Amino acid sequence: DAMVIQNPRYQVTQFGKPVTLSCSQTLNHNVMYWYQQKSSQAPKLLFHYYDKDFNNEADTPDNFQSRRPNTSFCFLDIRSPGLGDAAMYLCATSRDSGRASEQFFGPGTRLTVL
Amino acid sequence: KQEVTQIPAALSVPEGENLVLNCSFTDSAIYNLQWFRQDPGKGLTSLLLIQSSQREQTSGRLNASLDKSSGRSTLYIAASQPGDSATYLCAVRRDTDKLIFGTGTRLQVFP
Repeated sequence: DAMVIQNPRYQVTQFGKPVTLSCSQTLNHNVMYWYQQKSSQAPKLLFHYYDKDFNNEADTPDNFQSRRPNTSFCFLDIRSPGLGDAAMYLCATSRDSGRASEQFFGPGTRLTVL
Repeated sequence: KQEVTQIPAALSVPEGENLVLNCSFTDSAIYNLQWFRQDPGKGLTSLLLIQSSQREQTSGRLNASLDKSSGRSTLYIAASQPGDSATYLCAVRRDTDKLIFGTGTRLQVFP
């Protein structure tokens, strides 16, 4: 089945220790997104790629970076995680950015910062 | 600035009841609206997508309606089951790729 895959499902890191979260998709979608969802809050978009074009949200901290080496993979790098970065990180894809476009989400990676 | 509100925040009902979840948004200039389900500690499962030109969409026991002019959408769940217990999120999309989410309705269906 075509799907969005996130690894690992659970990630524990230490305060200040860089961490990378991974997302892959078999849908061959052009657009990939990273959302952050803190406990009992709505998901919040961090950035997205339309193909190779990177789009950063204005309020995304500089501590968060992303890479998309090819259509299938997208990575979220947190350079120096703080306690406030503990959250569920959700990857999503959509075929394109057209009006009819639907977003499909992966299972998420829950990040714990010690 | 688009704001999305979901009422109620939590709902507990006995099995078999028909129920309605509400979503309202402040800016009616949307491309589409999606309803998602989220189980505890899990990702989002897309339930229904309604285009701005549509009034409703149906999938099995789920029916979502959209009244764009009044900034409202409802998700109707027929004959609720314990397996429907989850958080239900609505999200609207405007002229960017961004989805703006509500904070969700946490549903519990008890046997």
